[in-house]
Amino acid sequence: EDQVTQSPEALRLQEGESSSLNCSYTVSGLRGLFWYRQDPGKGPEFLFTLYSAGEEKEKERLKATLTKKESFLHITAPKPEDSATYLCAVLDSGGYQKVTFGTGTKLQVIP
Amino acid sequence: NAGVTQTPKFQVLKTGQSMTLQCAQDMNHNSMYWYRQDPGMGLRLIYYSASEGTTDKGEVPNGYNVSRLNKREFSLRLESAAPSQTSVYFCASSSFATNEKLFFGSGTQLSVL
Repeated sequence: EDQVTQSPEALRLQEGESSSLNCSYTVSGLRGLFWYRQDPGKGPEFLFTLYSAGEEKEKERLKATLTKKESFLHITAPKPEDSATYLCAVLDSGGYQKVTFGTGTKLQVIP
Repeated sequence: NAGVTQTPKFQVLKTGQSMTLQCAQDMNHNSMYWYRQDPGMGLRLIYYSASEGTTDKGEVPNGYNVSRLNKREFSLRLESAAPSQTSVYFCASSSFATNEKLFFGSGTQLSVL
């Protein structure tokens, strides 16, 4: 059974204080690892897809990296508008389109 | 483009009542999904439809039924609502052309009393 574990559950940062969110995963065959951002009262919004170990993707202050067992979402010099819940998910290479989500990291960036 | 549209946004039901959640996407995606999101549980797949005319069970299908009405629309029905079905429900869509990334609707907050 596929598993996705995110840590920490919550993170409070001062504006400009860089940090990383972790996503550990267990999957029989990885077809893709996704990062989503979710704001309160809204649906998750796609950020990145990573397909193989060593791959990196960047978008503004966010950079996602992937190893064979985990992914990190690095946040550089965060701003208050980066406050959200960040979700990690894995797509199994099995017979159907099964995406398993982690429970998320709630990030709060304080001015 | 509206993307993925869900209705209603909020709903309160009494135990035993039935209701249908509606979902439509205008991105010409083949696959559509229904998820529920509960505190501490993450998003869990209820049902999905890989293509028009097909539906399959996900992780937590008990108590739900779905209909893929056409390529755009995918509805979720609760035949006899139970308090355990109190949750936030999200519809999503995807396609091979978008490398399977999910596009989500804004959610339905359902309370069953």
